[in-house]
Amino acid sequence: KNEVEQSPQNLTAQEGEFITINCSYSVGISALHWLQQHPGGGIVSLFMLSSGKKKHGRLIATINIQEKHSSLHITASHPRDSAVYICAVNVVDSNYQLIWGAGTKLIIKP
Amino acid sequence: DVKVTQSSRYLVKRTGEKVFLECVQDMDHENMFWYRQDPGLGLRLIYFSYDVKMKEKGDIPEGYSVSREKKERFSLILESASTNQTSMYLCASSLSFGPPSGANVLTFGAGSRLTVL
Repeated sequence: KNEVEQSPQNLTAQEGEFITINCSYSVGISALHWLQQHPGGGIVSLFMLSSGKKKHGRLIATINIQEKHSSLHITASHPRDSAVYICAVNVVDSNYQLIWGAGTKLIIKP
Repeated sequence: DVKVTQSSRYLVKRTGEKVFLECVQDMDHENMFWYRQDPGLGLRLIYFSYDVKMKEKGDIPEGYSVSREKKERFSLILESASTNQTSMYLCASSLSFGPPSGANVLTFGAGSRLTVL
């Protein structure tokens, strides 16, 4: 069993829909990251969370430490949101160890 | 903005060739990382460096070596490329380690897609 699991693996939605991507983890963490990767390779960090909720534009990330679960929400989705969204966790008591989810491929159709 | 530049976006090499992948960051970050990304597997850490001339093995160091002679530059070396090293290679940097903060956030390069024939 992977220590960081994302769901769904693939998601196709219509423009304007509310999107939720989930990340569950089984290890103790000090922080959780959400990142975005567009076709062509480059990865951009969206959020780093250790508790609660963060919002940036139409993106919202939440984390429930007790349940070891995080969600990334996209409101009013747009075709330019089409990308792979990746969850990664900083393992507690490790300076550098990040465990990565396999990613969720999101396609938003116009 | 921090910029991480990878020297080659696409490379095609033959089995047995020595391959150098170069990565340069321009914001005085302490830490630099080399990851490999394969479909369905997520990112896997090959090596990282927390200071000049310092390096640590990641999860999959076999078949790779690294060099960090200057703070801004971190090179990944495939001594004798093999077909199973065909992959996307991603370089990243972060300001520092320590308690979670903006300093831990990774900045990635655009990636280098290597094909070994």
